[in-house]
Amino acid sequence: DTGVSQNPRHKITKRGQNVTFRCDPISEHNRLYWYRQTLGQGPEFLTYFQNEAQLEKSRLLSDRFSAERPKGSFSTLEIQRTEQGDSAMYLCASSLSGGRRDEQYFGPGTRLTVT
Amino acid sequence: DAKTTQPPSMDCAEGRAANLPCNHSTISGNEYVYWYRQIHSQGPQYIIHGLKNNETNEMASLIITEDRKSSTLILPHATLRDTAVYYCIVRDPGNNRLAFGKGNQVVVIP
Repeated sequence: DTGVSQNPRHKITKRGQNVTFRCDPISEHNRLYWYRQTLGQGPEFLTYFQNEAQLEKSRLLSDRFSAERPKGSFSTLEIQRTEQGDSAMYLCASSLSGGRRDEQYFGPGTRLTVT
Repeated sequence: DAKTTQPPSMDCAEGRAANLPCNHSTISGNEYVYWYRQIHSQGPQYIIHGLKNNETNEMASLIITEDRKSSTLILPHATLRDTAVYYCIVRDPGNNRLAFGKGNQVVVIP
């Protein structure tokens, strides 16, 4: 257990529905990241927050995706009008800027299945 | 895009040292080499990182060649719990994203 928690762990939804995932980072970590991982591939970066500011977004983050970190603590990732191609593991990570190892601590992920 | 090349898979004998290679021939002077691993159904886990000197911690050793174009992660005494996908990543300290490739599926065999 890295101290990063994600909920739910599994989500099955029908195509066209909206889904929202939550990530609770390690409490003193000011940086939070979202990645997506499909079967057989390594994780792909989606977006990054420093405190409450979203500082970087990948081109993978289409208009149907939105992420927030309203108080600089937990974060949510929402996918609107889900498509079958959105089926993946969604991973959250956190880190402390200026940390000696600059290490990202990953949560267990939320597995999304779109039917 | 990943800037490293790793074998897709390898087997290691339990109790022996496991040497995991990584090529990063286009690495630039300020980029670090990071290693993460991902055990099945878990998120990635940091192992070690280095710039140009060899590094060792409680999990592994990292040997970086003098020209920095390749590196080797050494697990000194592989156990069955070390079975995982190992990712070698080069990263500029100013870049916050980790660019994972497909990694190296390492299986430790009893």
